[in-house]
Amino acid sequence: EIVLTQSPGTLSLSPGERATLSCRASQSVGYLAWYQQKPGQAPRLLFSGPSNRATGIPDRFGGSGSGTDFTLTISRLEPEDFAVYYCQQFGSSPWTFGQGTKVEIK
Amino acid sequence: QVTLKESGPVLVKPTETLTLTCTVSGFSLSNTRMGVSWIRQPPGKALEWLAHIFSNGETSYSTSLRSKLTISRASSKSRVVLTMTNMDPVDTATYFCARTYDYLTAFDYWGQGTLITVSS
Repeated sequence: EIVLTQSPGTLSLSPGERATLSCRASQSVGYLAWYQQKPGQAPRLLFSGPSNRATGIPDRFGGSGSGTDFTLTISRLEPEDFAVYYCQQFGSSPWTFGQGTKVEIK
Repeated sequence: QVTLKESGPVLVKPTETLTLTCTVSGFSLSNTRMGVSWIRQPPGKALEWLAHIFSNGETSYSTSLRSKLTISRASSKSRVVLTMTNMDPVDTATYFCARTYDYLTAFDYWGQGTLITVSS
């Protein structure tokens, strides 16, 4: 089973700042997604594939990486971006999620 | 418009079997490459993938929970059912169903989730 480790656990930033979130896999991952989740809501797909932005996702969100190291970047945080972000690999069964990174307002 | 909606009991007793239903609309599971997964999230914790059913009926399960889970499609082809046996308080969580558009794609649509509490 592929284990995904996200860092940091919590990121405290101000609106307008840049956020960099990391997702590291225990072995090479062929397919990786990123999701955003706000309290009381279902997750929302951001990227299906390290850099394939989902429909309607603003271009301030960027995804990159390959192999075992992946990054989600938010270039300038908007108030609505403060949430928990999860990575997920779907190339190797069983599919797995990371433990999440919370982006909170500083 | 694609929608998924989970339904099931709110409260389950320990050792009982949980049956959850995901009712989908706006797409069909019967003749496409789409699939549906069940994913859960204990209160305040991370997401955990449980099981998936592909349009051809093939299934895939979480390694740690395989012995407790069965995923299937109802005869109407618009419902996906998850059964989980021998429920325990640690299984208390919000249970989501979510769609994959094709093989090797992420979850593009999610249900709102349903909170299942396991308690005597």
